[in-house]
Amino acid sequence: GNSVTQMEGPVTLSEEAFLTINCTYTATGYPSLFWYVQYPGEGLQLLLKATKADDKGSNKGFEATYRKETTSFHLEKGSVQVSDSAVYFCALRYSYGKLTFGQGTILTVHP
Amino acid sequence: DTAVSQTPKYLVTQMGNDKSIKCEQNLGHDTMYWYKQDSKKFLKIMFSYNNKELIINETVPNRFSPKSPDKAHLNLHINSLELGDSAVYFCASSPPTWGAGDSETQYFGPGTRLLVL
Repeated sequence: GNSVTQMEGPVTLSEEAFLTINCTYTATGYPSLFWYVQYPGEGLQLLLKATKADDKGSNKGFEATYRKETTSFHLEKGSVQVSDSAVYFCALRYSYGKLTFGQGTILTVHP
Repeated sequence: DTAVSQTPKYLVTQMGNDKSIKCEQNLGHDTMYWYKQDSKKFLKIMFSYNNKELIINETVPNRFSPKSPDKAHLNLHINSLELGDSAVYFCASSPPTWGAGDSETQYFGPGTRLLVL
């Protein structure tokens, strides 16, 4: 079946450090891929997405590239801020709007 | 201008009780969803409705019954609550596949934190 695997957390970084959160997927066909972010006490928000191979999604300094050959969609940011502390979810979408999420990665950024 | 709203935000109740969670979206979307997030942050879809019609029904105990009185509302009723039902329940919506909206993006509510004692 279709599934999403994220790197284990929690991830703890200092401000201005480089961030990578790995995400790989297993799917039939060509799903769309997403990163959602959940700030403390809130619901999820779309961070970025890519709908086909080699597409790069970007938003708020975060980037991820849809790599079909490695079935990956790793999230990166060059310089994290304290305000980036949140839970990050990688997800894929197939069939009628059904999102399949990874297990989430907790990111904590210290000043 | 809340886009997707849920009530209540917190719900503490005893085992065996019946409770409902309400969800409303004012985005004009056709499709709505219920997700469950467990204590380890894992998110799993429960149900999806499109224009009041059930289209996704994952393996969920039949104590959970969604109801969509119109396409702007999707409520979740839970009978005979159990300890394992304690979780955060998120409602979400997405635009129709036709039209100008991005049908792939889902918009989430703030969540309802349910604690069963």
